[in-house]
Amino acid sequence: GAVVSQHPSWVICKSGTSVKIECRSLDFQATTMFWYRQFPKQSLMLMATSNEGSKATYEQGVEKDKFLINHASLTLSTLTVTSAHPEDSSFYICSAKGLAGDEQFFGPGTRLTVL
Amino acid sequence: GENVEQHPSTLSVQEGDSAVIKCTYSDSASNYFPWYKQELGKGPQLIIDIRSNVGEKKDQRIAVTLNKTAKHFSLHITETQPEDSAVYFCAATYNFNKFYFGSGTKLNVKP
Repeated sequence: GAVVSQHPSWVICKSGTSVKIECRSLDFQATTMFWYRQFPKQSLMLMATSNEGSKATYEQGVEKDKFLINHASLTLSTLTVTSAHPEDSSFYICSAKGLAGDEQFFGPGTRLTVL
Repeated sequence: GENVEQHPSTLSVQEGDSAVIKCTYSDSASNYFPWYKQELGKGPQLIIDIRSNVGEKKDQRIAVTLNKTAKHFSLHITETQPEDSAVYFCAATYNFNKFYFGSGTKLNVKP
């Protein structure tokens, strides 16, 4: 089946630093990848949609200069949290949509803790 | 945009009993309704889905029903087992673009 990986699975960083999270589709090509944020005991909130080779589309209220998304290939998208602050601490989940255009396959998530 | 509501927020059942989780959606254009199971510290895993041209789908102990007229869909788990304990999310989407998630249901199956 389709597998999506994320790296790292968890990261702790100091306030003010930047953190990059990778999302990879391991056995399929993903034209579209999605980035979600999930706070404890809450639902998934879509942050942005990224299409390979083009700029990401951000949801309302999500700062595009703070959450930089790059989708440079059909198997890799990255989310960079710039100048991280404690309120950015969250569980970040990516998903990928295959070329067939249906179903989203979710990654295992990345736990970010900003001290 | 689409708005998905999910109930209940928590559900506790005895092992072997059935569990039902319900979702409603607002956008009649939505045509794909997946259900996800999320265990602590992990990403969501698709457990069953249904498309708008089908009223019911079953996979062993799990079934999903869809009422397009009323715009609601439900997840049914029969013969629940302790390993079914997790958080379950419903979602709705039009043509597999943006997925709108419900608020989640924490299912606790007591042995």
